Amino acid sequence: GENVEQHPSTLSVQEGDSAVIKCTYSDSASNYFPWYKQELGKRPQLIIDIRSNVGEKKDQRIAVTLNKTAKHFSLHITETQPEDSAVYFCAEAGLLLNDYKLSFGAGTTVTVRA
Amino acid sequence: NAGVTQTPKFQVLKTGQSMTLQCAQDMNHNSMYWYRQDPGMGLRLIYYSASEGTTDKGEVPNGYNVSRLNKREFSLRLESAAPSQTSVYFCASGLSEGNEQFFGPGTRLTVL
Repeated sequence: GENVEQHPSTLSVQEGDSAVIKCTYSDSASNYFPWYKQELGKRPQLIIDIRSNVGEKKDQRIAVTLNKTAKHFSLHITETQPEDSAVYFCAEAGLLLNDYKLSFGAGTTVTVRA
Repeated sequence: NAGVTQTPKFQVLKTGQSMTLQCAQDMNHNSMYWYRQDPGMGLRLIYYSASEGTTDKGEVPNGYNVSRLNKREFSLRLESAAPSQTSVYFCASGLSEGNEQFFGPGTRLTVL
């Protein structure tokens, strides 16, 4: 989306290494930052999210960090495995009326080499 | 629960033809969304419905119309298809206050 920049667009890592994807956003009112994983030919699925009152959140091998001052947030995958190969999308939510409208980054294609 | 379902899964149209993409959810969500996904451009919001009876434009609404038929169903209509509308279309739903969006399996549309 036009509000979120995501880097890199492609990422190749050796199995067992870490992968880091970074996103920046422009709306200072944003307060919800989800990450979606999309395997080839499948639908996007939420893997982790963070809200603006938290700086870091972890769930097993994945973690997300948020820097509201700098307006960027990152996804960290440790000990990568072949099943981590997918496209990952960051998003941010701008409150509109009573609903949250997500703006997505362009995606990062992650390839884990065996 | 089936979650979010979409029909059809694949469709080929000729330029100028019309069609309606169907979406239904059984999670009692208030909000529903239509996205298109193109290579290198992520997911772009076409239209959304914050609650039954309301719809509003997203980032790329031109050439599309929507109907929130009831709380469960949200359809997307292409009145006169164009090759630029060749894409994968995803429907999603979510609780207004919960933020997480659940996606359907997608419809792959080709306009010749």
